Amino acid sequence: DAMVIQNPRYQVTQFGKPVTLSCSQTLNHNVMYWYQQKSSQAPKLLFHYYDKDFNNEADTPDNFQSRRPNTSFCFLDIRSPGLGDAAMYLCATAGTENSPLHFGNGTRLTVT
Amino acid sequence: RKEVEQDPGPFNVPEGATVAFNCTYSNSASQSFFWYRQDCRKEPKLLMSVYSSGNEDGRFTAQLNRASQYISLLIRDSKLSDSATYLCVVNEMAYNNDMRFGAGTRLTVKP
Repeated sequence: DAMVIQNPRYQVTQFGKPVTLSCSQTLNHNVMYWYQQKSSQAPKLLFHYYDKDFNNEADTPDNFQSRRPNTSFCFLDIRSPGLGDAAMYLCATAGTENSPLHFGNGTRLTVT
Repeated sequence: RKEVEQDPGPFNVPEGATVAFNCTYSNSASQSFFWYRQDCRKEPKLLMSVYSSGNEDGRFTAQLNRASQYISLLIRDSKLSDSATYLCVVNEMAYNNDMRFGAGTRLTVKP
């Protein structure tokens, strides 16, 4: 049974059209992460939540926002997607800061 | 300097070979270390955590060298199914507990 679920698996959006990616977890983990991964590159951390505390990476563009309304759900909002935002977006959870990451299947975003 | 660096690869080895990857990290306060495996167009999956005393899981051995600030992964008796990208992950405790990935090392095991 999937424990970290990302929807949708594939998302196509138009240039400049806002898009929201979702992530849910049944692990009751405190920490949730969003990563962006482009082809042949390592996952790049965008931000993470420890419970309700939000931690933004310094180089994450303002175009990317996140919401975590409760323990189970986390959303990634891309306000005005550009062609360069096409990537795989990975959500991950962890029980504590020192725990391994559990990844969802990812959402592959295409920007047309 | 990147916070987490890995051998660039790619590594192309025959079946049965032993192959080793290294990963260096810049923050001496880092507390947690992991190796992940990622298949093409899939999410990363945890291969093993890396403990201070070193740890082994079947054909896989992970080691941590705090003095030199690197972790290593050794794969013995390589199988075709070991072909994947191997990513090291370091918890940057000093930076809001960020989990940072190395760039990954591509391994191809050939018959």
